[in-house]
Amino acid sequence: EIVMAQSPATLSVSPGERATLSCRATQSVNNNLAWYQQRPGQAPRLLIYGASTRATGIPARFSGSGSGTEFTLTISSLQSEDFAVYYCQQYYDWLQITFGQGTRLEI
Amino acid sequence: QVQLQESGPGLVKPSQTLSLTCTVSGGSISSTSYYWSWIRQPAGKGLEWIGRIFTSGSTNYNPSLKSRVTISMDTSKNQFSLKLNSVTAADTAMYFCARDTVTGWFDPWGQGTLVTVSS
Repeated sequence: EIVMAQSPATLSVSPGERATLSCRATQSVNNNLAWYQQRPGQAPRLLIYGASTRATGIPARFSGSGSGTEFTLTISSLQSEDFAVYYCQQYYDWLQITFGQGTRLEI
Repeated sequence: QVQLQESGPGLVKPSQTLSLTCTVSGGSISSTSYYWSWIRQPAGKGLEWIGRIFTSGSTNYNPSLKSRVTISMDTSKNQFSLKLNSVTAADTAMYFCARDTVTGWFDPWGQGTLVTVSS
């Protein structure tokens, strides 16, 4: 099983600032990585796939980078609605999809 | 646009079978462009992929749950279903259904349904 480790567990940032979230895989997943945002009481929402491609309707302040085992989600200027939990997911091992444990982005 | 909605009992007794249905609107589950998946999330914890089904009926399951899981579909109702047998308290979670691209990411998701395993 490919284990996805996210850091930090919690990130405290002020509105308007930049947030950088990390995701590391225990083996290379090439660029087969997605990021999701989950607001309280809501389902996860796809932000990024292919490590760096924004999903439809996702604002340009969200960007993804990385390949292999190291990935980053950057939110360039935090808005109030961005404070949520963020998950990474690998789909390189398509028969055993795994998610990271999440990073909580708080004010 | 495609929308998914989970339904089913919110309370299941230990050792019994959890049964949920996902109704898809705005798109057909018979599409050959997508798979259809179930994912769960215990309260305050992360996400666990349960399994997926394709329009052909072929399925893939998370190895950790494979012995207890069955996913099926009813194309006439545009629904797919999850059965998880021999449940314990550890199966208490929010259960989501989601459209699964052939590549492997999930979009969109249903709103989720909470299932509690308790006597």
